[in-house]
Amino acid sequence: AQTVTQSQPEMSVQEAETVTLSCTYDTSESDYYLFWYKQPPSRQMILVIRQEAYKQQNATENRFSVNFQKAAKSFSLKISDSQLGDAAMYFCALTGTASKLTFGTGTRLQVTL
Amino acid sequence: EAQVTQNPRYLITVTGKKLTVTCSQNMNHEYMSWYRQDPGLGLRQIYYSMNVEVTDKGDVPEGYKVSRKEKRNFPLILESPSPNQTSLYFCASSLFFGTGGSPLHFGNGTRLTVT
Repeated sequence: AQTVTQSQPEMSVQEAETVTLSCTYDTSESDYYLFWYKQPPSRQMILVIRQEAYKQQNATENRFSVNFQKAAKSFSLKISDSQLGDAAMYFCALTGTASKLTFGTGTRLQVTL
Repeated sequence: EAQVTQNPRYLITVTGKKLTVTCSQNMNHEYMSWYRQDPGLGLRQIYYSMNVEVTDKGDVPEGYKVSRKEKRNFPLILESPSPNQTSLYFCASSLFFGTGGSPLHFGNGTRLTVT
């Protein structure tokens, strides 16, 4: 079985500041992928970033980057220069060879002026 | 435009009245899946399909049915809805067998209320 844990139900960040969302996971597989999805109030699910477990280099996408600590089974998301449009629910997710994407319970991010 | 289309976006129904939520994708994806999203629980998989005529249960399949007669369509059927099926539902598709490294593309969700 695979599990994903997001221990921060809510976070807040000021505009232009940096925030880090935490995610830990557990899996028995050696080959797996990790994702962060963003869900704005429109409720769309938008892929933010993806990390292959076999890659040591942390993935980055513009202002979004991850800190992937494989031994600690940790996969945090860093958002730099936060913008009002970053306000959303963020989900961490894990998939391996099974036909399943397991999600965490989500972190709601507020961005304040 | 490549997309996953779900209908309806909102649905209010009564206990026991059969309903179908449709899902269609135009990306020729092999893999399709249904999730439900509930506060504090994240998204949980209901059913998935790896190809036409191949479906399998996810984590919370009770009370739901699916079919995959064509590659592009994957409807979710609630034969006798109950109030505990009130939720936000997402259909998703992916290019390859399993989700592997191929990310899921999501529909816009269906908000279902069962009274």
